[in-house]
Amino acid sequence: EAGVAQSPRYKIIEKRQSVAFWCNPISGHATLYWYQQILGQGPKLLIQFQNNGVVDDSQLPKDRFSAERLKGVDSTLKIQPAKLEDSAVYLCASSGPLAVVDGYTFGSGTRLTVV
Amino acid sequence: GENVEQHPSTLSVQEGDSAVIKCTYSDSASNYFPWYKQELGKGPQLIIDIRSNVGEKKDQRIAVTLNKTAKHFSLHITETQPEDSAVYFCAARAGYSSASKIIFGSGTRLSIRP
Repeated sequence: EAGVAQSPRYKIIEKRQSVAFWCNPISGHATLYWYQQILGQGPKLLIQFQNNGVVDDSQLPKDRFSAERLKGVDSTLKIQPAKLEDSAVYLCASSGPLAVVDGYTFGSGTRLTVV
Repeated sequence: GENVEQHPSTLSVQEGDSAVIKCTYSDSASNYFPWYKQELGKGPQLIIDIRSNVGEKKDQRIAVTLNKTAKHFSLHITETQPEDSAVYFCAARAGYSSASKIIFGSGTRLSIRP
C-alpha cells in the first residue's frame, strides 16, 4: 500500500512569511496527525483529526498555526506568520481503526527553515 | 498529562554487541508502548510495540520489556549491525481508541562502530 505522502520535502522562508504543508494519508485511515519535530527532540503532537473533525489541538499555537482536513482525506497545515523557532520537521502520520494494533504510519516530513 | 523520558541520548556500540535503550513513563493508565526508528531524512518507522498485558516481546534481534510497576520499558537490540544506526524513539499511549494520542520520548542516537 502507498505510504503517507507529504509535500514539499524542504522549504526555506523568511520570518513573518507564510507557509503551507500538505499531507495525503494512507487510504482509509480516518485519523490524521501533525507532529512538529525540532532538531534533537522527539515529535510533538500539534493537532489530531478524526475524519474531518479535530480531536486534539491543545498544543497548536493557534495565533499562527492553522490546519484543516477537508472531506476527511488530505490535510494542510499553515503557519502565518512564521517565526525563527518554527524551524523544524513537520511530520504527518495516519492510523486506521486498528491503531492499537498497527500504530501510526509517518510520512517523510517537511523540513522548514525560517531565516 | 503523560511524560516519557528516554536514556541515553546517544549510544555507540561495537558491531555485534548489544544495545539497550531505556524509557520511563508517568501515566499509570498508559497501555501501549511503541518503538520507532528514524533514519536520516525519513519519518519515524514503527519497529516493535508492546501492550500492558505483556511483559516481554521479541522479534528477531529486537526485544522490548515492560515493567508496569516501575513504569519503565526498554528496547534491546542484539548482534547489532551497521544498518541499526539511527535515532530510536520510545513512546507511550493511554487508551484504546485511535483518539488516544502517542507521546514520544526525546530519542536516542545509536551509532554502530565497525
